[in-house]
Amino acid sequence: AQSVTQLDSHVSVSEGTPVLLRCNYSSSYSPSLFWYVQHPNKGLQLLLKYTSAATLVKGINGFEAEFKKSETSFHLTKPSAHMSDAAEYFCVVSEYGNKLVFGAGTILRVKS
Amino acid sequence: GAGVSQSPRYKVAKRGRDVALRCDSISGHVTLYWYRQTLGQGSEVLTYSQSDAQRDKSGRPSGRFSAERPERSVSTLKIQRTEQGDSAVYLCASSPRTGMVYEQYFGPGTRLTVT
Repeated sequence: AQSVTQLDSHVSVSEGTPVLLRCNYSSSYSPSLFWYVQHPNKGLQLLLKYTSAATLVKGINGFEAEFKKSETSFHLTKPSAHMSDAAEYFCVVSEYGNKLVFGAGTILRVKS
Repeated sequence: GAGVSQSPRYKVAKRGRDVALRCDSISGHVTLYWYRQTLGQGSEVLTYSQSDAQRDKSGRPSGRFSAERPERSVSTLKIQRTEQGDSAVYLCASSPRTGMVYEQYFGPGTRLTVT
């Protein structure tokens, strides 16, 4: 069975400092992994996805994530936070088939 | 271009009543998904439909949830005999292809409150 654990429910960083949002997954097979972002009153937007190609995945808005099979992790990073990055972020896993499993979400706060 | 839209954005229903939530997907997308998002518990897929299938492909065990697709780009999620535990945000998503590995485009959600 698939599951996703986002290790922090809230993360607070200062503008211009690095962002790290942690995600661990469990999956019986080779999973596909995604990060989505949700701004207030907006729909979910795909940031990036891993589908068994390069383990370091680059997404939009300067975000990237590294798939580490040995650690079953898919942490999201950004070198320098911007105020507009403040939102809720969801780590998502999918095995083959038609089911996505979402993590509980991490709220990112960016301080000026 | 136009994205995925959902209506209503907010819905209050009395326990035991039936509700219907609408999703208008992106033209040309073949697969429509419904998710339930609960604060602090993440999101779970409720049902999905592919291509011209009018009925959902998978439903929740309780059977109170079902989705219909009266038009190719329209889906209606029906919840029968609502319970207070059904209070959540219901998200609709569409995808240009079949299979979860492909990008899904999400609507803004409908917040359902069951009193």
